[in-house]
Amino acid sequence: NAGVTQTPKFQVLKTGQSMTLQCAQDMNHEYMSWYRQDPGMGLRLIHYSVGAGITDQGEVPNGYNVSRSTTEDFPLRLLSAAPSQTSVYFCASSYSTVNTGELFFGEGSRLTVL
Amino acid sequence: KNQVEQSPQSLIILEGKNCTLQCNYTVSPFSNLRWYKQDTGRGPVSLTIMTFSENTKSNGRYTATLDADTKQSSLHITASQLSDSASYICVVSEGGNEKLTFGTGTRLTIIP
Repeated sequence: NAGVTQTPKFQVLKTGQSMTLQCAQDMNHEYMSWYRQDPGMGLRLIHYSVGAGITDQGEVPNGYNVSRSTTEDFPLRLLSAAPSQTSVYFCASSYSTVNTGELFFGEGSRLTVL
Repeated sequence: KNQVEQSPQSLIILEGKNCTLQCNYTVSPFSNLRWYKQDTGRGPVSLTIMTFSENTKSNGRYTATLDADTKQSSLHITASQLSDSASYICVVSEGGNEKLTFGTGTRLTIIP
């Protein structure tokens, strides 16, 4: 049981480039989400999904795109990277609603945009 | 605006000593409160989840308390070990929706 797996762990982009952060979970969790963690701030929700085919915006969705074609995978796409998107990104999943279920986090993807 | 505030921002203690971390929140309506441990360069890992009716919950040497009336929680670490060096994050779940509010964490350093 690998839990929540994120790739890549590190990435450097130039302004304007696009890329996809991958997230996969093998726990058959319905709920998946993406957060970003910046110094001096709490984790902030970017997008989330309550099941395959269903996605919704979180607190800071601008500049990011998601899709959920399978229960296992929830990729995060940066459409045109900006220096403000330099951050550590965490994918998290939960068996049920995030209100009641324990949230399991991946190990993070550190992104630097030059 | 819902907020979660943690104190202190950072703390250094000697190995073997006890410590208490604080969390105050303004989230309403309240569903539950969680404490996470985040090692440097790793993802957060859940320590406890406490609902409105729970005053105290333990996980090994970690004991969390919750006072829903004053909207305060604490995390007490007993007989600290070097492996306890990490950031501890308080998270409050808002009732009725899928929203979690994260604190900025307390950075705990245990020195030998």
